[in-house]
Amino acid sequence: DVKVTQSSRYLVKRTGEKVFLECVQDMDHENMFWYRQDPGLGLRLIYFSYDVKMKEKGDIPEGYSVSREKKERFSLILESASTNQTSMYLCASRAGGQPGGSPLHFGNGTRLTVT
Amino acid sequence: GDSVTQMEGPVTLSEEAFLTINCTYTATGYPSLFWYVQYPGEGLQLLLKATKADDKGSNKGFEATYRKETTSFHLEKGSVQVSDSAVYFCALSERAGNNRKLIWGLGTSLAVNP
Repeated sequence: DVKVTQSSRYLVKRTGEKVFLECVQDMDHENMFWYRQDPGLGLRLIYFSYDVKMKEKGDIPEGYSVSREKKERFSLILESASTNQTSMYLCASRAGGQPGGSPLHFGNGTRLTVT
Repeated sequence: GDSVTQMEGPVTLSEEAFLTINCTYTATGYPSLFWYVQYPGEGLQLLLKATKADDKGSNKGFEATYRKETTSFHLEKGSVQVSDSAVYFCALSERAGNNRKLIWGLGTSLAVNP
């Protein structure tokens, strides 16, 4: 089974701090994604990456950056955390090369609270 | 642009009741369609999928049929269990391009009472 591991289940940070959310997958997937999940808003894509050192903006990239130095690891960075970034963050990975799209595999999420 | 609309929740049912969660979509091409489920405290996991018109996806007693004529992919289960309590997400993916992001519905929360 594919395993997507997010380094922290819960995080509490202060406004203005730099925050790193780490995600590792063990299935050699090309594609990795960061979403945030908020009540009433569903899942919103922040950034995704389809290869090492490649990244593309999703729907809500403002205030975030990402890093993909190795294929298995995809990091989300909040340069200066703000209270409106309090949310559940979900990492996902997916294999490439399948017509119609292969399924996403998700981690269990990191609940970030910014105070 | 492409979009997915699913029925609002929460949906509350008694055990062994019949479940339908409606999902309709708009898309310019020929998308693949998915249902994902999120159990409490967990990330999402794929429940079932269909890649072309008239395909039926099924898993764990859940079914959904890709209806191109009505642009729908409704989720059904004949007899729900307490363990089915979760949030269900409908999503689509354009067939062209493996790096295309998924388009998500907002999710429907289901609570099944014993």
